[in-house]
Amino acid sequence: RKEVEQDPGPFNVPEGATVAFNCTYSNSASQSFFWYRQDCRKEPKLLMSVYSSGNEDGRFTAQLNRASQYISLLIRDSKLSDSATYLCVVSEGDMRFGAGTRLTVKP
Amino acid sequence: ETGVTQTPRHLVMGMTNKKSLKCEQHLGHNAMYWYKQSAKKPLELMFVYSLEERVENNSVPSRFSPECPNSSHLFLHLHTLQPEDSALYLCASSQVSTENSPLHFGNGTRLTVT
Repeated sequence: RKEVEQDPGPFNVPEGATVAFNCTYSNSASQSFFWYRQDCRKEPKLLMSVYSSGNEDGRFTAQLNRASQYISLLIRDSKLSDSATYLCVVSEGDMRFGAGTRLTVKP
Repeated sequence: ETGVTQTPRHLVMGMTNKKSLKCEQHLGHNAMYWYKQSAKKPLELMFVYSLEERVENNSVPSRFSPECPNSSHLFLHLHTLQPEDSALYLCASSQVSTENSPLHFGNGTRLTVT
């Protein structure tokens, strides 16, 4: 079983749609959780940390379910500029990356 | 000035060449990392320098050799590479003493081995 698993997609959605990504992790001792965004041929950039109580940043909402060992990212009112690959990252000391979920937002 | 800078941005080298990748962080972090990103694969952690100690990933071939002269600079020395080593090499830094401290990446070196 992969340490961090994501649906690779691609997710193709129209502008204004709501889209959700899930990510599962295998190590129950994991301590920190993040979502990163990576544009084509660019480096990953931190989108948001994920806290136990869930957190929101504008159109983006992240949630953590420790019992089921998954985190989620919800994007509301999606924009063309949201098109990117979204990486789930889980830390148990070392950072473990998922392979990413590709999102394309179309006009 | 950007937080983590890497040079060169692109590198093409033959299998007999020796080259080095350079990374510098301006964030005051105490840990630095090398990651490898191949097409359609998760980022692979290669090396970590944390609190001035080196942590190795034992699956990294010896043709990759890291060097960390201080907490702000990190090098990756390359020699006798193979074509399958072609990938995006990313440097990152973080503050390990801070809970939930994320990684900050440089813009990467795209390496092609011919």
